Amino acid sequence: AQTVTQSQPEMSVQEAETVTLSCTYDTSESDYYLFWYKQPPSRQMILVIRQEAYKQQNATENRFSVNFQKAAKSFSLKISDSQLGDAAMYFCAYDQTGANNLFFGTGTRLTVIP
Amino acid sequence: EAQVTQNPRYLITVTGKKLTVTCSQNMNHEYMSWYRQDPGLGLRQIYYSMNVEVTDKGDVPEGYKVSRKEKRNFPLILESPSPNQTSLYFCASSRDSYEQYFGPGTRLTVT
Repeated sequence: AQTVTQSQPEMSVQEAETVTLSCTYDTSESDYYLFWYKQPPSRQMILVIRQEAYKQQNATENRFSVNFQKAAKSFSLKISDSQLGDAAMYFCAYDQTGANNLFFGTGTRLTVIP
Repeated sequence: EAQVTQNPRYLITVTGKKLTVTCSQNMNHEYMSWYRQDPGLGLRQIYYSMNVEVTDKGDVPEGYKVSRKEKRNFPLILESPSPNQTSLYFCASSRDSYEQYFGPGTRLTVT
């Protein structure tokens, strides 16, 4: 079974600074998606960014970018210019293409310090 | 507005009293899933459905049932809830693996 590991239960960052959240995964598949979801106190699951495994270029969405290392099975999230609204739980997730079954990591709680 | 709705949002019940959490999507998606979220464990898939009348177990199906009689609806049934089913439940729908749309969550407490 696929596993997703987030080794940082908690992280903190100063407002306007940059923070990187780590994620590793284990799979024998070659075709899959990776995601970062944000869960604020409202509990809503919000998609932050996705990466398709066949794409070598790292995905970017405004202040959010990923470092996708397929051979190392690593998928970290970089948040630049951190804002107070970025404070949330962040989940890394994996989905084998066509499976529609997301495997989640245990989450990283991000605190943003004013 | 494209959305996934869940009801109820909060529920407190007692052990053994059957309950149903409803889920509905208005995006004509084939795939629908149920997840539960527990502290320190992330989200885990309970059941999923690839289309009407097609359902299958996820990673933690014990104690749950589902049905998919209509494309838009995918209710989660707990026939005899137990305290270890106290959790936060999410319904999700998708057309493919590109993106799953999540409902707002249902906080269930079983005493």
